[in-house]
Amino acid sequence: NAGVTQTPKFRVLKTGQSMTLLCAQDMNHEYMYWYRQDPGMGLRLIHYSVGEGTTAKGEVPDGYNVSRLKKQNFLLGLESAAPSQTSVYFCASYSTLRTSGGSYREQYFGPGTRLTVT
Amino acid sequence: AQSVTQPDIHITVSEGASLELRCNYSYGATPYLFWYVQSPGQGLQLLLKYFSGDTLVQGIKGFEAEFKRSQSSFNLRKPSVHWSDAAEYFCAVGARMDSSYKLIFGSGTRLLVRP
Repeated sequence: NAGVTQTPKFRVLKTGQSMTLLCAQDMNHEYMYWYRQDPGMGLRLIHYSVGEGTTAKGEVPDGYNVSRLKKQNFLLGLESAAPSQTSVYFCASYSTLRTSGGSYREQYFGPGTRLTVT
Repeated sequence: AQSVTQPDIHITVSEGASLELRCNYSYGATPYLFWYVQSPGQGLQLLLKYFSGDTLVQGIKGFEAEFKRSQSSFNLRKPSVHWSDAAEYFCAVGARMDSSYKLIFGSGTRLLVRP
């Protein structure tokens, strides 16, 4: 049981380049999220999904797109990267169903992707 | 507006001393409340959570937190700090939205532990 994994761990982009960040979870969670973390600001929600085939905007969605074609995967895309998107990106997921391990409604986080846009 | 305030950016304590990290929130309804810990270069690990019921919540690694509705607070405590507790701590409110909730984070408190 790997939990929440993120690919890649690090990436450097030039302004205007595009890339896709992959989040995968093997816990059969319905809900998945993308947050970004900037110094002194905690984490902020970019986009989220309440189920396969659904996505919605969070607090800071501009410049990002997402897709959830499979329940276990949530992709975050940057079509034209800007220096303001330099950040650490975290994926999270949770379920409203009680698991054998007792977890319930708590968001599990991936290890993060550190992105630098020059 | 929904928000979380962690008034202490840095806190330094001696190993073995007690710890209290402050967290105040602004939220219109009964909140979901969380404390996460983040070691350098790592992801976030959940320490404890409050959804309802007993306002004193026990978590992992010997941490506890108390929900005080009248003070809009959810302070994190530990009776005796270990050097391995040095990390950044984030308080968060779970703000409901459609069928789910999003986490609204405070800006974090960095804990330093003196030997």
